[in-house]
Amino acid sequence: DGGITQSPKYLFRKEGQNVTLSCEQNLNHDAMYWYRQDPGQGLRLIYYSQIVNDFQKGDIAEGYSVSREKKESFPLTVTSAQKNPTAFYLCASSQSSDRGYGYTFGSGTRLTVV
Amino acid sequence: GDSVTQMEGPVTLSEEAFLTINCTYTATGYPSLFWYVQYPGEGLQLLLKATKADDKGSNKGFEATYRKETTSFHLEKGSVQVSDSAVYFCALRRGSGGSNYKLTFGKGTLLTVNP
Repeated sequence: DGGITQSPKYLFRKEGQNVTLSCEQNLNHDAMYWYRQDPGQGLRLIYYSQIVNDFQKGDIAEGYSVSREKKESFPLTVTSAQKNPTAFYLCASSQSSDRGYGYTFGSGTRLTVV
Repeated sequence: GDSVTQMEGPVTLSEEAFLTINCTYTATGYPSLFWYVQYPGEGLQLLLKATKADDKGSNKGFEATYRKETTSFHLEKGSVQVSDSAVYFCALRRGSGGSNYKLTFGKGTLLTVNP
């Protein structure tokens, strides 16, 4: 079955470390997205990519970086510059050519700073 | 800019009660409207959608009607179950191309159903 796979499900980061969250999709979707979710704050867009080798900052890009070298993959790196990285991170993809399509989401990665 | 406003939660109901979660939107043009559901510790799942005025989306007993005159897309269910306990997100997508690739989400409404 097609879908989005996020790994790992749980991730622990020490202060000052960079960590990378994986997101892979086999839906042949053009666009991919990263969201951060904090309790009571809904979803906030970090980065998005409409095509390979191109991506744009979302609303809270500071302290994060991404790459889109393959259509199927959109990894997110949480750098040491992100001061409060503890959160639930969600990756999504969409068929960008039609507004009638929503997003397909992965199951999320919970990142905790220890 | 585009925006989605949902009723603030949490909403607590008894099993078999009637559910309404209000959602209104602001957008130019003719957006598509969506409801997503998030169960604890999981990602979001598409619950239902509507792509034009007066369309009714439905799934698993949930319904929502696209009301352009009131810019609303309220979620309803006639008889909720404990298993419906989750966070519900209303969202819109304005069109294809450029920044219209993005969905605009509401803040989410936590529903708790007690037996």
